[in-house]
Amino acid sequence: NAGVTQTPKFQVLKTGQSMTLQCAQDMNHNSMYWYRQDPGMGLRLIYYSASEGTTDKGEVPNGYNVSRLNKREFSLRLESAAPSQTSVYFCASSEMVEQFFGPGTRLTVL
Amino acid sequence: QKEVEQDPGPLSVPEGAIVSLNCTYSNSAFQYFMWYRQYSRKGPELLMYTYSSGNKEDGRFTAQVDKSSKYISLFIRDSQPSDSATYLCAKESGGSNYKLTFGKGTLLTVNP
Repeated sequence: NAGVTQTPKFQVLKTGQSMTLQCAQDMNHNSMYWYRQDPGMGLRLIYYSASEGTTDKGEVPNGYNVSRLNKREFSLRLESAAPSQTSVYFCASSEMVEQFFGPGTRLTVL
Repeated sequence: QKEVEQDPGPLSVPEGAIVSLNCTYSNSAFQYFMWYRQYSRKGPELLMYTYSSGNKEDGRFTAQVDKSSKYISLFIRDSQPSDSATYLCAKESGGSNYKLTFGKGTLLTVNP
């Protein structure tokens, strides 16, 4: 089992560019999450999906969109990247309270 | 007030020391409390979680919840250099989806 996988591992964007971060899990979990982690700020929830076909906003959703493509995959899209979106992005999945995290995507917006 | 407060440290201890990591929380409505460990440039991994109050022990690690004072603690006995990491506390933040609210994390270094 690979657990939670994320692509890409690293990305550099220019302000205004768009990109999609991909996440997939092979644990047959219903719930999936996107977080961002910034120095001194901890992990903050961007969006989550309780089940296939549903998505909800978390603490910091502005500037992001998500798609729950199927039970396995949950993508995060930045339509027009801004320097404030420079961060490390983590995807997680869970069936109950225990969340399993991916290795993260390091994104820099210039 | 943020729902979960955690002293970011950093905390540096000698090998073999007992480490105490602490968080406070402000909303008593929910029951699950978690500790995650995050090595540098890696994703967080769950160490242990407790339901409601009391202690839970797993090897060298003990998680404690004191609901009367809204305090969450993680104790590491006989600390090892391999315990050097950032430790994140979290609590269930409500709803039916087991969302978590995280503290900012405490960076721990165990020196050989």
